[in-house]
Amino acid sequence: AQKVTQAQTEISVVEKEDVTLDCVYETRDTTYYLFWYKQPPSGELVFLIRRNSFDEQNEISGRYSWNFQKSTSSFNFTITASQVVDSAVYFCAGLKAGAQKLVFGQGTRLTINP
Amino acid sequence: NAGVTQTPKFRVLKTGQSMTLLCAQDMNHEYMYWYRQDPGMGLRLIHYSVGEGTTAKGEVPDGYNVSRLKKQNFLLGLESAAPSQTSVYFCASRPTGGGDTQYFGPGTRLTVL
Repeated sequence: AQKVTQAQTEISVVEKEDVTLDCVYETRDTTYYLFWYKQPPSGELVFLIRRNSFDEQNEISGRYSWNFQKSTSSFNFTITASQVVDSAVYFCAGLKAGAQKLVFGQGTRLTINP
Repeated sequence: NAGVTQTPKFRVLKTGQSMTLLCAQDMNHEYMYWYRQDPGMGLRLIHYSVGEGTTAKGEVPDGYNVSRLKKQNFLLGLESAAPSQTSVYFCASRPTGGGDTQYFGPGTRLTVL
């Protein structure tokens, strides 16, 4: 069985601070995929990134960066110099290779205060 | 290119009524999914389809039926709505590559009184 844990239910920071959202994916599988989605107040789910289990390179996209460590099953997401528009619920999800069910964490509600 | 669209955006039903939610995608994706999102529970898979004419049960299929008569459409039906089906419903689609990303529609907020 797979499980995605996002231990931080809510985070609140002041604009321009850096913030890291934690995600742990528990699985016995060696091949899997990890995802981050953003759900802004408008409600839609926006895809941010996909990472496969055999690629541990960190990835940076503008103010966003992701750190995947297979040894600890963690796939953490950092926002640098946060902005009010980053306020949203962020979901981490995992997918076993060959499976259909995307397993979601419970989400982290991020609030960026001006 | 509209991506994944869902109809309707909002709906209120009375217990026992029936309705159909429509999902359409214009990306020529083979796979389509229906999820429900409830507070504190993330998203859970209801049913999915790996191609036109096929459907399969997900994690929480009871009380729902689906059909995939055309590749671009995936319908979710509630035959006799119950208050426990009050939720936000999301449709998603993806291509056939292993581990490919699922792209989500904007969601349908359903309230059953």
